[in-house]
Amino acid sequence: SAVISQKPSRDICQRGTSLTIQCQVDSQVTMMFWYRQQPGQSLTLIATANQGSEATYESGFVIDKFPISRPNLTFSTLTVSNMSPEDSSIYLCSAGRTTYTDTQYFGPGTRLTVL
Amino acid sequence: AQTVTQSQPEMSVQEAETVTLSCTYDTSESDYYLFWYKQPPSRQMILVIRQEAYKQQNATENRFSVNFQKAAKSFSLKISDSQLGDAAMYFCAYRSAWSGGSQGNLIFGKGTKLSVKP
Repeated sequence: SAVISQKPSRDICQRGTSLTIQCQVDSQVTMMFWYRQQPGQSLTLIATANQGSEATYESGFVIDKFPISRPNLTFSTLTVSNMSPEDSSIYLCSAGRTTYTDTQYFGPGTRLTVL
Repeated sequence: AQTVTQSQPEMSVQEAETVTLSCTYDTSESDYYLFWYKQPPSRQMILVIRQEAYKQQNATENRFSVNFQKAAKSFSLKISDSQLGDAAMYFCAYRSAWSGGSQGNLIFGKGTKLSVKP
């Protein structure tokens, strides 16, 4: 399995500001994913971040709002830009070690509240 | 597009008893993976069990087992000898095994909240 950490674990932000969430994996992984979980809801994929290529965004999510970096095989960041109260959610990072068939492991999540 | 349905928003079980959580899915693919994840109040998503669609044998992990019915597209989770620590939100998830598909991301159901009564 992979051990994944996220920072910050929670934050309270003002409308119009941006927050960058960091995701660190304890070993090299090929695929990293960012999910959003709105209050009381299931997880929705924001984007897939593979090292050496641009992130691939799901329908309804755009790079200007959620820029992602993947500088190496153990680290990724997600920025939530120009935040509004509707962005209040838990943001989770996950990673798969090698292939499409690999199990995904999750970080502990970042709870974001936008006032 | 694939979909995952969990029809039980909430379930309750007595400690030491057995409970079954339901999950159905829809796909036109023949090769895929199914997962059950547990999310306790700490919100850490924890993998409970994984099933490869090409395997006929149902996966088991200690007190957790699945009933995988490929033709019926059903994937239920059975928790035996329930413990207080099993109380959590349980999510069923689907993942394509086709490399040209959705790049391997998980498709989740809406979850089932499991309560365990002492």
